[in-house]
Amino acid sequence: ELKVEQNPLFLSMQEGKNYTIYCNYSTTSDRLYWYRQDPGKSLESLFVLLSNGAVKQEGRLMASLDTKARLSTLHITAAVHDLSATYFCAVAGETSGSRLTFGEGTQLTVNP
Amino acid sequence: DGGITQSPKYLFRKEGQNVTLSCEQNLNHDAMYWYRQDPGQGLRLIYYSQIVNDFQKGDIAEGYSVSREKKESFPLTVTSAQKNPTAFYLCASSYNSKREKLFFGSGTQLSVL
Repeated sequence: ELKVEQNPLFLSMQEGKNYTIYCNYSTTSDRLYWYRQDPGKSLESLFVLLSNGAVKQEGRLMASLDTKARLSTLHITAAVHDLSATYFCAVAGETSGSRLTFGEGTQLTVNP
Repeated sequence: DGGITQSPKYLFRKEGQNVTLSCEQNLNHDAMYWYRQDPGQGLRLIYYSQIVNDFQKGDIAEGYSVSREKKESFPLTVTSAQKNPTAFYLCASSYNSKREKLFFGSGTQLSVL
């Protein structure tokens, strides 16, 4: 059974600071997704990581994937209040098609 | 504009009642999914459908039922057998079932009266 663990689950940080969210998963996978969710809203796709060593960047967010370590990171650079949201990683096992297993989410609060 | 439409946005269920959540997509996607989200938790898969007239149970299918009579539509019924239905329900679709990115609807918040 594929398990996905994120840490931290709660993150409070000041504007301008850097931080990293970690996503570990338990079985072989070659596809990992990061999503953002604002309170009471749907999920917005941020990144799709398809191979070992993949790195994607969009604005102040950068995601990377290490399939050997079964680890993905979401790095936040110089945080701003607009980044406050819950961030989920989701993993598709090699035989599970589009069936994604989600982490519990990291609730990020960026304080002025 | 192409997208996924869920309705209603809010739904209240009385004890013993079945309720149906609607999900419609005009993206011409083959695969559709229903997820449940409880407060402070990730998403759990209820049912999914890879093609019209076919669907499979996900991880938490008990107390739910679905149908897929049309490519565009994948309604979810929360039956009276689901004893703890209060949650945020998200419908999603993908081009096919072979590991494509999911697109999500705006969600339905179901509460018990």
